[in-house]
Amino acid sequence: QQKVQQSPESLIVPEGAMTSLNCTFSDSASQYFAWYRQHSGKAPKALMSIFSNGEKEEGRFTIHLNKASLHFSLHIRDSQPSDSALYLCAVNNSAGNKLTFGIGTRVLVRP
Amino acid sequence: DPKIIQKPKYLVAVTGSEKILICEQYLGHNAMYWYRQSAKKPLEFMFSYSYQKLMDNQTASSRFQPQSSKKNHLDLQITALKPDDSATYFCASSQWGSSYEQYFGPGTRLTVL
Repeated sequence: QQKVQQSPESLIVPEGAMTSLNCTFSDSASQYFAWYRQHSGKAPKALMSIFSNGEKEEGRFTIHLNKASLHFSLHIRDSQPSDSALYLCAVNNSAGNKLTFGIGTRVLVRP
Repeated sequence: DPKIIQKPKYLVAVTGSEKILICEQYLGHNAMYWYRQSAKKPLEFMFSYSYQKLMDNQTASSRFQPQSSKKNHLDLQITALKPDDSATYFCASSQWGSSYEQYFGPGTRLTVL
């Protein structure tokens, strides 16, 4: 059964700094890797996803995937107070549409 | 306009009772899901449906029964409620396929006393 773990559990970063979040998974046949952001009391919302090894950048956000080491990460450049939220990594199973989530990293960006 | 509607937003129930959580999506997706999120636990997959057919069930208990009366509806009936069922239940939808983003509804927060 897929195991997804995130680190760190929580993070406080100053405004303008880089935020780096990590996610490891156990099923090497996984095909889809995503980061979701969840503000307090709201629904999770997809930020970015990646399918193959490498890096993908969208605005201030960069996702990096290394399938061999069963690891992917999210980096947020120039962090803003509005980036304060719970960040969830998600991996799909190799057979279909079930997303397995990590427990999340709570990020607080201090002005 | 909200694209995924969940009703009610908050629900309080007594142990042993039965409740139905409603979900409707207006994104034109052919797949719908239920997830559960409780304190100190990851967001947890429960069910997936595609074209109104059950595709995957990861819920051990038969007390949780999804019901799909229309292709854009997927309700969740929970019977014999227990305090441990207290959680926020999220409905989600997507096109069926492993590479499609899943969109989540606002959730129903269930408290069982």
